[in-house]
Amino acid sequence: ETGVTQSPTHLIKTRGQQVTLRCSSQSGHNTVSWYQQALGQGPQFIFQYYREEENGRGNFPPRFSGLQFPNYSSELNVNALELDDSALYLCASSETGTGSAGEKLFFGSGTQLSVL
Amino acid sequence: GNSVTQMEGPVTLSEEAFLTINCTYTATGYPSLFWYVQYPGEGLQLLLKATKADDKGSNKGFEATYRKETTSFHLEKGSVQVSDSAVYFCALALRNFNKFYFGSGTKLNVKP
Repeated sequence: ETGVTQSPTHLIKTRGQQVTLRCSSQSGHNTVSWYQQALGQGPQFIFQYYREEENGRGNFPPRFSGLQFPNYSSELNVNALELDDSALYLCASSETGTGSAGEKLFFGSGTQLSVL
Repeated sequence: GNSVTQMEGPVTLSEEAFLTINCTYTATGYPSLFWYVQYPGEGLQLLLKATKADDKGSNKGFEATYRKETTSFHLEKGSVQVSDSAVYFCALALRNFNKFYFGSGTKLNVKP
């Protein structure tokens, strides 16, 4: 049990719709990262938020956006959904965003998004 | 660029067999290396890590040694159990930024 919770656990949307995924980070953690895990693949970095500011972004288009709130919980928003967006979306929290020799990430169980 | 390559699965072993899952990496800097494990229906959990060359990470009978000369971080266990059945991910993270690069995962099936 990592203390990172994500909601919802499963979601079905149609192409073109918008979706919001939520993450509550582990107590005491001020950094949240989002990863996309396609079926049979490893997680791919989407972006990271540190103290409510974006702190790095992977190779994802602008229709993937995020927020981090003062309590360090976070949202991932995806606009204009495409079929290829179907994946498991993982949220991970850590103590700081400064990357001290690769600090430990605590992952949630993920949100399984299906785009039809 | 930065990337991780791990052996394709699934790997099927009998209980008490020896396990090796190969992992090699490419990095633009000096990375820290990790093995994460994902059980069915769950998120990823850190299994072990090593932050510098020749370090050995170990946990729950699993071991991996950071080999800078061969850019490898192979996962080993001397005697696997049925409960070790899961997907194992090798990953690297560069210093000064907490972004992880994951391999594609290796599924391990352990039969009684």
